[in-house]
Amino acid sequence: EVQLVESGGALVQPGESLRLSCVGPDFILGGSWMGWVRQAPGRGLEWVAHIPPDGREKYYVDSVKGRFTISRDNAQNSLFLQLDSLRVEDTAVYYCVTDRGFGAVDNWGQGTLVTVSP
Amino acid sequence: QSALTQPPSASGSPGQSVTISCTGTINDIGTYDYVSWYQQHPGKAPKLIIFGVTERPSGVPDRFSGSKSGNTASLTVSGLQAEDEADYFCSSYAGGHDKVFGTGTKVTVL
Repeated sequence: EVQLVESGGALVQPGESLRLSCVGPDFILGGSWMGWVRQAPGRGLEWVAHIPPDGREKYYVDSVKGRFTISRDNAQNSLFLQLDSLRVEDTAVYYCVTDRGFGAVDNWGQGTLVTVSP
Repeated sequence: QSALTQPPSASGSPGQSVTISCTGTINDIGTYDYVSWYQQHPGKAPKLIIFGVTERPSGVPDRFSGSKSGNTASLTVSGLQAEDEADYFCSSYAGGHDKVFGTGTKVTVL
C-alpha cells in the first residue's frame, strides 16, 4: 500500500474557506489519476473531485462545482483541494485517493476532518 | 448520478457465507464491468477488496469474491471470520468521468 497523508482539515463557519493538502510517494503521485472522496459522519462515500496525471482537466461532483478547486503539483508529490464558500453539508472526512482506473480506488489516505458549523 | 443501492445490513455466523447486493442501472453496472468493492472498519479508511467486478488486489484473501448479473453486482464473503465485521461499499464506473458509490452495508459476524 502507498501512504498518502492529508492535512488541512479544521472547524470553520459557513462561507469560510479551507485548503486541504495530500502528499505521497513520487512514483505514485506523478503517474496516477488522483482525487478526493468524502464521507459525512455515519454516511456513505462520495466522489468530490478528480484530476488526471497532467492536471489539465478537472472533474467535480455537481454539489461542489464553482466552490471547490482541485489541483496537483507533481514536482512536490502533492494534491490539493481548495474549499470555498463552505456549507454545513460539506462536513465530512475528506480522503485523498489514487484511482487505478474507472473508479477503482487503490490507495486511501487516513482522512482529514472538515467541520462546517455556525 | 444516484447512489447504488445496497441493503443496510447483513449477517452470518463464523464459517458461513454472506452475500451483499449492489443494484444500479443500465447506465452504470448494467453497461460497465468496472465494479469495485471496499471494506471499511470503524474509524479507518476504506480498503479496496475487489475491482473489475471479480479481481482481487494482491493480499486480499480469496474468501472475497465478486460477480455481476444485469444491473446488480454482488460481493460474497465465504468462511466468515470475526475480522470481516465491517462496512462494505460498492462502486461503479458510469461512463465519461462519472463514478458512483453504493449506500453501504454493515456486515455483522454473529
